[in-house]
Amino acid sequence: GENVEQHPSTLSVQEGDSAVIKCTYSDSASNYFPWYKQELGKRPQLIIDIRSNVGEKKDQRIAVTLNKTAKHFSLHITETQPEDSAVYFCAATHNNNDMRFGAGTRLTVKP
Amino acid sequence: KAGVTQTPRYLIKTRGQQVTLSCSPISGHRSVSWYQQTPGQGLQFLFEYFSETQRNKGNFPGRFSGRQFSNSRSEMNVSTLELGDSALYLCASSPDPRDSPLHFGNGTRLTVT
Repeated sequence: GENVEQHPSTLSVQEGDSAVIKCTYSDSASNYFPWYKQELGKRPQLIIDIRSNVGEKKDQRIAVTLNKTAKHFSLHITETQPEDSAVYFCAATHNNNDMRFGAGTRLTVKP
Repeated sequence: KAGVTQTPRYLIKTRGQQVTLSCSPISGHRSVSWYQQTPGQGLQFLFEYFSETQRNKGNFPGRFSGRQFSNSRSEMNVSTLELGDSALYLCASSPDPRDSPLHFGNGTRLTVT
């Protein structure tokens, strides 16, 4: 999406290592930032989200951080497992009406 | 609760034809968003409907249009199909995408020959 930039486009890690995906957004009014995981041939599914009044949120091995001043947010996956291999999309609200997505990061976790 | 249902799952059309895709949201969800997914391009926003009103539209030509009915079901239409329209079209429903997660359907795979 032209309003959300996501890096890297591909990421390969060894099982057990950490993975970090970063996104920046342009709409300063954005206030909701979800992350989606899309496995091959399947629909995107929400894995974690964060709202603008929170700087960090954690759910087991997954965490998201948000820096509203710099307009960037990141996904952190610790102790990666082969089943974490998928395409991950960040997203941010746009024009207070809809959701715009980053271009995606293909994560490969090597056993 | 039934998930988001998209029909048909697969479509093959030829250039110049038109196509209509359908999306039934989760019961109670008033917002339906449409996205085009192509390899390497991620999820490109097409449009979002809330209570039968199009609230926002992405950077797609006028050949792409949509509507939402009073029961929140939505359709999107693509006229004068081009080869580049071949993609997976995903619809997602939400109580409100401004602060709620999107629930995606399985998509309609459109192939234009």
